[in-house]
This record gives sequence, C-alpha cells and structure tokens, in this order.
Amino acid sequence: GAVVSQHPSWVICKSGTSVKIECRSLDFQATTMFWYRQFPKQSLMLMATSNEGSKATYEQGVEKDKFLINHASLTLSTLTVTSAHPEDSSFYICSASQLGIGGSEQFFGPGTRLTVL
Amino acid sequence: SQQGEEDPQALSIQEGENATMNCSYKTSINNLQWYRQNSGRGLVHLILIRSNEREKHSGRLRVTLDTSKKSSSLLITASRAADTASYFCATDRGDDKIIFGKGTRLHILP
Repeated sequence: GAVVSQHPSWVICKSGTSVKIECRSLDFQATTMFWYRQFPKQSLMLMATSNEGSKATYEQGVEKDKFLINHASLTLSTLTVTSAHPEDSSFYICSASQLGIGGSEQFFGPGTRLTVL
Repeated sequence: SQQGEEDPQALSIQEGENATMNCSYKTSINNLQWYRQNSGRGLVHLILIRSNEREKHSGRLRVTLDTSKKSSSLLITASRAADTASYFCATDRGDDKIIFGKGTRLHILP
C-alpha cells in the first residue's frame, strides 16, 4: 500500500513555543490529508481536513488559529501547533487520501508524539 | 465527533481463545474499517468491509457488518500474545472523512 510519513516522530518543547509537524505521502499524490489527535487511552479525534491549495476545514471545537494547517503541495501537509501548552501534549496522526478504483482510500502516518513542558 | 462505539471497552482473554469486539455507528456509511494500534504506536489497517458486504475474512480475522442494525463485529480466532493492542472501528460516510470509534483494549493473557 501507499506510504505516509510524519516528521518528527516525537518532539518535546517548552510551553509557549510553536511546533511544526510534517505529513508526507511518499509514493502518491494526495489531494486531501487529514489530521487527528489522540490523547492517552482515547480514540483518534479528527481535527481538520486539508485540501491542497485551499484552506483547511476544521472540526467543531478545534481552534484554527491554534492549529495552523498548510497543504502546499500534493505530497505535503503541515500542522503547526502555535503557542503550545501542556494540554496540547498528544499524539498527532495524519492520513492521506488516494483516489482508487473503488473510491478513495486513506493511508495513515506513524504519528508524532508532542510533549509540551 | 465520534461515529462509532465499541464494546467492550476492555477485554482480557486467555491465549488461544477467540476475541470478539463489536462496533455500532449512527449514520449511513460507505464502508467500515478495523484498525489495530499497539500502545503508543501508529495504526495498522486490518480490514475494510463495504456497505454491500456482510462478512469478510482475512487470516484469523472475521468481520461482519449489519447495516440494518448499524453494527459490525471483529472476531480474532486463536488469539496470540501479539494480538494485545487497541482495536478501533472507523466509518467512511462517503465524505472522505474517517471517523473512529472509542476502541476496545484487548489484552491476551499468557
């Protein structure tokens, strides 16, 4: 199947700093990418849908000014957590959508663990 | 928002036994998928079942889908220690968004 990578795999930062997480589709072009957040022992919650060349669509309750998403190319989407605070510590997972014969299929990245001190 | 509810939330069984996890969802779907996640790791896609399918097999996995009841089940036969993980169902409503259920934490006892 298609491969999606994330960088970094983990990051520790001080409160108040901004952190950028990259999501790349390595062997296919993804018109749509998705960002999820997962707190310990909880499920994945969809944060936003990112379409190449247009503004991201955020789920209810997700602050768009807090979580900046840029989808500059068909293989790269970035999530920037601005002015991070300890409550932003979480596992962030992206997925990339590839259109196939039977419809679109999503491929998930390995995740990025963010720890805010 | 979450679409699916899995039950049980946690399940402990002896190695070799079968494990059954259930998932219920609320809206119409195009397909339903099951994923496994080991602690602190990424997702592993297990199986996808389309809305016009009722049952699907993959190795020791058996998935059923009942669209009239808006429910699905995942059966793992002859469980192994390596099956210890969290299992999530996820639904695709046709809008490209995949919405995850709350998950079942499966623990295989030696």
